[in-house]
Amino acid sequence: DQQVKQNSPSLSVQEGRISILNCDYTNSMFDYFLWYKKYPAEGPTFLISISSIKDKNEDGRFTVFLNKSAKHLSLHIVPSQPGDSAVYFCAASAGGAGSYQLTFGKGTKLSVIP
Amino acid sequence: DAGVTQSPTHLIKTRGQQVTLRCSPKSGHDTVSWYQQALGQGPQFIFQYYEEEERQRGNFPDRFSGHQYPNYSSELNVNALLLGDSALYLCASSLIGRGQETQYFGPGTRLLVL
Repeated sequence: DQQVKQNSPSLSVQEGRISILNCDYTNSMFDYFLWYKKYPAEGPTFLISISSIKDKNEDGRFTVFLNKSAKHLSLHIVPSQPGDSAVYFCAASAGGAGSYQLTFGKGTKLSVIP
Repeated sequence: DAGVTQSPTHLIKTRGQQVTLRCSPKSGHDTVSWYQQALGQGPQFIFQYYEEEERQRGNFPDRFSGHQYPNYSSELNVNALLLGDSALYLCASSLIGRGQETQYFGPGTRLLVL
């Protein structure tokens, strides 16, 4: 039973436009959420995180939104750049911090077209 | 500042053999987690080591074991290898309880079991 779901395996966006990546979760115990980016032949790179006590967190071009009632979070990238092309993983943990076991979605492959 | 390092980068084994993978955490980190990423899937949590003890464990059989040394480096051992153990094995490090609890990943070890 998948506790973290990324229902879009892939997404294509024009350079300069907004990329929106979505993630749903089912476990009510999750209280900390993270997004990682992964290039081929590299490990996942941390992008941004959000605690369940917030509904938005912003870092430069990246913003994560959390809707606890819907058990849904999204990552917005504005503006999208070709270097953003990668697989994006949503991850969740229970325990209030990202140091505990992370449960990952299957990932969404983002392609930013120049 | 050295990031998370893993060795070897690639490994080929046959069914029934045993394998040891190694991880050095990011400088200043004290916690090491191991994940298995099968093709087309998100990383799955195997276990986490803190203060040389297994702190958390995911849904993996006892064939998977680990160790953490006083210098915080860690090993993942897999006995009686199965074809299904072929995957990318990722190590992540973090610092417990000091505001740096985000897990940072190494590049991974790709294991192929024939």
